[in-house]
Amino acid sequence: SQQGEEDPQALSIQEGENATMNCSYKTSINNLQWYRQNSGRGLVHLILIRSNEREKHSGRLRVTLDTSKKSSSLLITASRAADTASYFCATDATGSARQLTFGSGTQLTVLP
Amino acid sequence: GAGVSQSPSNKVTEKGKDVELRCDPISGHTALYWYRQRLGQGLEFLIYFQGNSAPDKSGLPSDRFSAERTGESVSTLTIQRTQQEDSAVYLCASSSRQTQAFGSGTRLTVV
Repeated sequence: SQQGEEDPQALSIQEGENATMNCSYKTSINNLQWYRQNSGRGLVHLILIRSNEREKHSGRLRVTLDTSKKSSSLLITASRAADTASYFCATDATGSARQLTFGSGTQLTVLP
Repeated sequence: GAGVSQSPSNKVTEKGKDVELRCDPISGHTALYWYRQRLGQGLEFLIYFQGNSAPDKSGLPSDRFSAERTGESVSTLTIQRTQQEDSAVYLCASSSRQTQAFGSGTRLTVV
């Protein structure tokens, strides 16, 4: 079964609005990472949050982690058309030799 | 180079043929991973190399799949007797810490 599962599967918003994507996972983790993938491109690492952290910011990105609920959220504020991409969460599970497990992603479309 | 490089970027092959995909990791990265991404799905782990240790092959879907890496350099992923279900993007990643750097992938289409 999927370790990281994102929801929603697809999200469409207007430029300037905030976008929130959620990720749930099943096992204990060392850290959780968010990646972006533009169509036809490789994955780009956005942010890493460790299991002992609850919130992390990077520019317009805000990530939260709730290990008791085994969930994380990615918030993109003041979205731009260039934010249109697929967003994946990936978990680095305890004892997994740093093998990342990815969810199937959220397709974000930001309309100009 | 500055990033993880994969070649070819696109490959169309006939069912039953063998294909070889190449990954040049970031210099100094000891760990190298291969993933497969089928259309609309998340990444599937295939194989993991760490230095000179025996690779973790637990994600290889069948014995038609194999991969090699010499030391901490280039890796090749070979798929023998390709099937249409092998059509996917094959991504390589290398890492020296907890964050992985990904290549742009090889899009394989088996016709």
